[in-house]
Amino acid sequence: AQSVAQPEDQVNVAEGNPLTVKCTYSVSGNPYLFWYVQYPNRGLQFLLKYITGDNLVKGSYGFEAEFNKSQTSFHLKKPSALVSDSALYFCAVRVSTGFQKLVFGTGTRLLVSP
Amino acid sequence: GAGVSQSPSNKVTEKGKDVELRCDPISGHTALYWYRQSLGQGLEFLIYFQGNSAPDKSGLPSDRFSAERTGGSVSTLTIQRTQQEDSAVYLCASSPWAGLEETQYFGPGTRLLVL
Repeated sequence: AQSVAQPEDQVNVAEGNPLTVKCTYSVSGNPYLFWYVQYPNRGLQFLLKYITGDNLVKGSYGFEAEFNKSQTSFHLKKPSALVSDSALYFCAVRVSTGFQKLVFGTGTRLLVSP
Repeated sequence: GAGVSQSPSNKVTEKGKDVELRCDPISGHTALYWYRQSLGQGLEFLIYFQGNSAPDKSGLPSDRFSAERTGGSVSTLTIQRTQQEDSAVYLCASSPWAGLEETQYFGPGTRLLVL
């Protein structure tokens, strides 16, 4: 069965510094990978996705993610963090075996300090 | 354009009562999904609708849970005889269709508290 792991419950970074939120996946087919962000008392907002093609995917709000097949990773990155980036981030996967649902990681709380 | 909307935003009920949660997907989206977000279980899939096809109910946790989608648009998730462990945020999402590459767009959720 497919799964996603987010090894860090929380990531702390100072404003202006680069940030990385880690995600690794385990699937038996070709992965379709997604990142979502959740602000307090809000639903999930789509950030970016990897389907095929370039391993570096650019998304909303200056975020990007790098797909690494050999390491089965899809880490979320941003060159310069903002305090407003503080939120809960979820990595999710779908596989090309007919499953239509998203399988989510447990989430990583990002805290950007001024 | 308008996003996915859900109602009510908050619901408090007593154990044993039935509740109905509503989801209005983005206009024109044929695929609709329900997920549950709880402290102990994270984000978990409940049910999925695609057009007029039979829904995928594989994620429903018990037979107290059911959902329908009328006219290929609005969906209602019903929980009968609610239990305290049903307390969670119920999220609805829609996508243009059910292709694997399609992005699912989420609503704000309904926060359910069972006393």
